[in-house]
Amino acid sequence: EPEVTQTPSHQVTQMGQEVILRCVPISNHLYFYWYRQILGQKVEFLVSFYNNEISEKSEIFDDQFSVERPDGSNFTLKIRSTKLEDSAMYFCASTPLAGNTGELFFGEGSRLTVL
Amino acid sequence: KNEVEQSPQNLTAQEGEFITINCSYSVGISALHWLQQHPGGGIVSLFMLSSGKKKHGRLIATINIQEKHSSLHITASHPRDSAVYICAVGSNFGNEKLTFGTGTRLTIIP
Repeated sequence: EPEVTQTPSHQVTQMGQEVILRCVPISNHLYFYWYRQILGQKVEFLVSFYNNEISEKSEIFDDQFSVERPDGSNFTLKIRSTKLEDSAMYFCASTPLAGNTGELFFGEGSRLTVL
Repeated sequence: KNEVEQSPQNLTAQEGEFITINCSYSVGISALHWLQQHPGGGIVSLFMLSSGKKKHGRLIATINIQEKHSSLHITASHPRDSAVYICAVGSNFGNEKLTFGTGTRLTIIP
């Protein structure tokens, strides 16, 4: 069964460092998402991506964050200068349909710990 | 802004019991998702609903659009059903953002 894969599963970094989280969505999906879950809190939408550009972003997704699809398979989330409050689990998801009307396929998540 | 409320927050039941988890939202939606989050943190999509009812194995999800309410039922519950169940809604403005509930932690005791 096709699946969304994320790497790394866990990354520990120092405050102020750049972090890149990687995702390989399901190959025939067209819509990609990043979500964040701070420990003990609810999942939050960060950004959606379609046709090689951001289609929507939340207020959390400020200038410190960026996404790209560099090679047609990987979908990356970059945090430019990490802060303590960026510590969270980051989930990538993909779907073949837009507008939240298609089933979402999630990766296993990347746990980011900022020290 | 859509507010998504789930109840109960925590639920402990004996194996075999019928389980109901509820989700209410405040603003009209395009679709509602039920998700399962495993103890290790991974998230699996269970259902995507825009109307009516869906069934998959022992799981049943219903939605009442007029009342802005959805329920997830588990029949013949089993310890492997122990997880956090999350309701998430997409707005009816065709945007991509999902708003998530806080989840219901279900524990099934053998």
